[in-house]
Amino acid sequence: AQTVTQSQPEMSVQEAETVTLSCTYDTSESNYYLFWYKQPPSRQMILVIRQEAYKQQNATENRFSVNFQKAAKSFSLKISDSQLGDTAMYFCAFMKTQGAQKLVFGQGTRLTINP
Amino acid sequence: DTGVSQDPRHKITKRGQNVTFRCDPISEHNRLYWYRQTLGQGPEFLTYFQNEAQLEKSRLLSDRFSAERPKGSFSTLEIQRTEQGDSAMYLCASSPDRAVNTIYFGEGSWLTVV
Repeated sequence: AQTVTQSQPEMSVQEAETVTLSCTYDTSESNYYLFWYKQPPSRQMILVIRQEAYKQQNATENRFSVNFQKAAKSFSLKISDSQLGDTAMYFCAFMKTQGAQKLVFGQGTRLTINP
Repeated sequence: DTGVSQDPRHKITKRGQNVTFRCDPISEHNRLYWYRQTLGQGPEFLTYFQNEAQLEKSRLLSDRFSAERPKGSFSTLEIQRTEQGDSAMYLCASSPDRAVNTIYFGEGSWLTVV
């Protein structure tokens, strides 16, 4: 079974700083998807960024980028120029490309951006 | 495209009562998922439909839980004889077959069992 671990329960940074959230996972699959989801206090889960394991290039979406280290099974999220609206719970998630395509989530990291 | 819609958003019920949640996925999304999220935790998979077929159920989904998607459009999740441990957010998500890694979530249905 796949597992996803987020070792930082909480993080706090000042506005405009850069912050990196950590995620490690365990799988025997060779191809899969990895995701970062954001869940603000309004509670709706929003997709931030996704990565396909067979792609070596790290995904980037505006201020959000990932550092995908397949051999180390690590998938960290970097938020540049952080904004107050980035305050939320962030979840790392894994999904197989074959078979049961369900998301397996980590425990989450509560990120607070301070003014 | 109005997104994934869930109803009701909040439900308070007495222990032992039955509750039903409804999910309307994004139109033309073949795949529909239910997850459960308790406070301070990540969502946990409950069940998954492809069109009207229920393809997988988690062991978390005890015999008191049942989910349906009768016409391959909206889905319902029913919990019978609710227990306090059922208190959680029930999240619905959908994705199209052509882009299974594009999963959109609804705002969730909060259940409180008293």
